[in-house]
Amino acid sequence: GAVVSQHPSRVICKSGTSVKIECRSLDFQATTMFWYRQFPKQSLMLMATSNEGSKATYEQGVEKDKFLINHASLTLSTLTVTSAHPEDSSFYICSARDVGTGAYEQYFGPGTRLTVT
Amino acid sequence: QQQVKQSPQSLIVQKGGISIINCAYENTAFDYFPWYQQFPGKGPALLIAIRPDVSEKKEGRFTISFNKSAKQFSLHIMDSQPGDSATYFCAASIGTGANNLFFGTGTRLTVIP
Repeated sequence: GAVVSQHPSRVICKSGTSVKIECRSLDFQATTMFWYRQFPKQSLMLMATSNEGSKATYEQGVEKDKFLINHASLTLSTLTVTSAHPEDSSFYICSARDVGTGAYEQYFGPGTRLTVT
Repeated sequence: QQQVKQSPQSLIVQKGGISIINCAYENTAFDYFPWYQQFPGKGPALLIAIRPDVSEKKEGRFTISFNKSAKQFSLHIMDSQPGDSATYFCAASIGTGANNLFFGTGTRLTVIP
């Protein structure tokens, strides 16, 4: 149980284009999902907290107009990187909060490798 | 500001040996301390977690030791295996793992046969 999927697993896009990454909780409902960014050999940095049906809360220094987050249902959150630039190339990981079963944990997706050329 | 400090950055251990990774924190409001294992190109997976009301928790070959007064906790991997080679992150949060997690910088463990 408590499986989180991400799609796509890898994406290459040209500079200036937008890319959408999906995060799904497969076997539980997630009122809250988190989006992280991880640079090579570095730790996870929280970008934003996504709550179903409301606006995301962004961490300091994260441009909300560049990283658009939508959490339209209890099982799906999307991150759209708008007008992507090479410096946006990174590993993006989502997690979903499972509170319904009493686990009170975050379960992480497998990540999406974004490369902007 | 790094809320959770982790060391060492990398660790090489012989098969069958003990791997030890250490973490320290400053915020005394933290009361949940999980460890995550991450393989290359994958997301982190919860390995084991501890709360400050106990000083040690063991699950199989993995043990967390917790020192509340020193604000330190560590992960011990007994009988380390090549399959344990991965990056390990400690983390801390307030309340539960469902709340904001503050991650350490990670330790890249290599277990050599």
